[in-house]
Amino acid sequence: AQKVTQAQTEISVVEKEDVTLDCVYETRDTTYYLFWYKQPPSGELVFLIRRNSFDEQNEISGRYSWNFQKSTSSFNFTITASQVVDSAVYFCALIPFDSWGKLQFGAGTQVVVTP
Amino acid sequence: DSGVTQTPKHLITATGQRVTLRCSPRSGDLSVYWYQQSLDQGLQFLIQYYNGEERAKGNILERFSAQQFPDLHSELNLSSLELGDSALYFCASSTRGTGAEQFFGPGTRLTVL
Repeated sequence: AQKVTQAQTEISVVEKEDVTLDCVYETRDTTYYLFWYKQPPSGELVFLIRRNSFDEQNEISGRYSWNFQKSTSSFNFTITASQVVDSAVYFCALIPFDSWGKLQFGAGTQVVVTP
Repeated sequence: DSGVTQTPKHLITATGQRVTLRCSPRSGDLSVYWYQQSLDQGLQFLIQYYNGEERAKGNILERFSAQQFPDLHSELNLSSLELGDSALYFCASSTRGTGAEQFFGPGTRLTVL
């Protein structure tokens, strides 16, 4: 069985501060995919990134960066120089590599960015 | 815009009623997934179809059923509705059936009164 833990329920920052969201996962599978999704106040779920377990290289996309560490079963997400538009709930998710079906989501972390 | 469409956007109904939620996947995507999001349960996977066939089942109640049609759109049927069924229902689609990133529609907000 898989489990994804996002221990931070809510993080509040002032604009331009950096914010790091923690994600810790448990799985017995040796190969799997990890994901981050964003859910803004409008409610839709927006795909941000997929990372496979073979590749531990960190990834940067604009102000977003991800730190995958297999040794600690963590896949953390950092928003650099946060903006008000970053206010949203962010979900980490996992699926075994060759598995039909469900993304196992964490509980989500609410990020509130104030001007 | 993910390219996944869901109708209706909002649905208000009474206990005991039956409703149908509709989803059209992104062009070219063969796989459709249904999820339920509620405050107490979070995001819960319900069911997956791939090219018309059911491929995976999650925490889907017996009162709920789904299908995927030859044109690949999908419908989620919820019957004998209870207050606790009030939630946001998402449809997602992906190109592949396994391990692929899933692109979510805007959701249907169901309120059962």
